[in-house]
Amino acid sequence: AQTVTQSQPEMSVQEAETVTLSCTYDTSESDYYLFWYKQPPSRQMILVIRQEAYKQQNATENRFSVNFQKAAKSFSLKISDSQLGDAAMYFCAYRSGSGGSNYKLTFGKGTLLTVNP
Amino acid sequence: SQTIHQWPATLVQPVGSPLSLECTVEGTSNPNLYWYRQAAGRGLQLLFYSVGIGQISSEVPQNLSASRPQDRQFILSSKKLLLSDSGFYLCAWRPKTGIGEKLFFGSGTQLSVL
Repeated sequence: AQTVTQSQPEMSVQEAETVTLSCTYDTSESDYYLFWYKQPPSRQMILVIRQEAYKQQNATENRFSVNFQKAAKSFSLKISDSQLGDAAMYFCAYRSGSGGSNYKLTFGKGTLLTVNP
Repeated sequence: SQTIHQWPATLVQPVGSPLSLECTVEGTSNPNLYWYRQAAGRGLQLLFYSVGIGQISSEVPQNLSASRPQDRQFILSSKKLLLSDSGFYLCAWRPKTGIGEKLFFGSGTQLSVL
């Protein structure tokens, strides 16, 4: 079974600075997808970024980028130029590439990010 | 554009009472639908998913059930709630085409069983 580990329960960053959130996962599959979801105080789950395992290039979305190390099974999220609105719980998630209709996301326990003005 | 509606936002129920949470999706047809639960301090756990009307798959044995009476309606139910059913419940949908497509979440229901 796949597992996702987020070793940092809480992180803080100064506004305009850069922060990196860690995520490691365990799988025996070669085809899979990795995600970072953001859950602000409203508790709405928002997709931040997605990475296909077969792609060597790291995904980027504006100020958000990932460092995907497939051999090390590591998938960290870097937030550049942090903004107050980035404060939220961040979840790393894994999905098997063979999941079909069963969109089963395996989530880590989350990292609570605080942004200090 | 597609939207997903989930209600109620909060619910407080006594142990042993029934439960019905409803989720509807607009602006799309034949979506895959999902119910997730988020326990305090944990990530999301998939409870049920549905690929079509009347088709329900359960991921974990539990006190809950799900139904899909219409194409864009997904209902989470229980005949008798347990204390352990407390949590934050999220409905989600995704289009069938395109593996790896993003999952769209509703705003969630905070259920407290007392």
